[in-house]
Amino acid sequence: DQQVKQNSPSLSVQEGRISILNCDYTNSMFDYFLWYKKYPAEGPTFLISISSIKDKNEDGRFTVFLNKSAKHLSLHIVPSQPGDSAVYFCAASDSGGYQKVTFGTGTKLQVIP
Amino acid sequence: DTEVTQTPKHLVMGMTNKKSLKCEQHMGHRAMYWYKQKAKKPPELMFVYSYEKLSINESVPSRFSPECPNSSLLNLHLHALQPEDSALYLCASSQRREGPPMEKLFFGSGTQLSVL
Repeated sequence: DQQVKQNSPSLSVQEGRISILNCDYTNSMFDYFLWYKKYPAEGPTFLISISSIKDKNEDGRFTVFLNKSAKHLSLHIVPSQPGDSAVYFCAASDSGGYQKVTFGTGTKLQVIP
Repeated sequence: DTEVTQTPKHLVMGMTNKKSLKCEQHMGHRAMYWYKQKAKKPPELMFVYSYEKLSINESVPSRFSPECPNSSLLNLHLHALQPEDSALYLCASSQRREGPPMEKLFFGSGTQLSVL
């Protein structure tokens, strides 16, 4: 049972345009969400996070939006750069078992120069 | 130093072999993790150590045996593995906060394990 889903396995975007990566979750106990980026032959690296008490968090070109009622979050990258080409994982945890992070299936982003 | 170092990067072993994966961090993190990732799947949590004590075991088979000799080192001992255990094994660390939210994880590059 996949509690965190990223329904788009891949996404191609032109350089300079906006990339939007989506994530849906089913566990209503999740209250903290993170995005990780993974290059080939490397481990995932943390990108940005959001608590369920917020609906938006920004860090430079990266913005995460959270819609709790829809159990949906999205990562916006503006403007997209070729170096952003990687696999992006959405992840979630709940306060009760906060060290147990559940990862989504990942979306492979390709930014075309 | 914000690195988590894993060795070896690649490992091929037979089903009767015993091998160990090693992980090291010098960020002063007091929580360390083992994750397993199969191709085109998300990382799956195996074990969590907090202050060198095993705090979470996600019902992992006993052929995987974790060890945390000190706050900087994490090992995963492998014995009598099956071909379906072939995967990327990722080590991670985080600050050990006394309660939520989850601190961000710092991952190593992983060990690509093949069991023949």
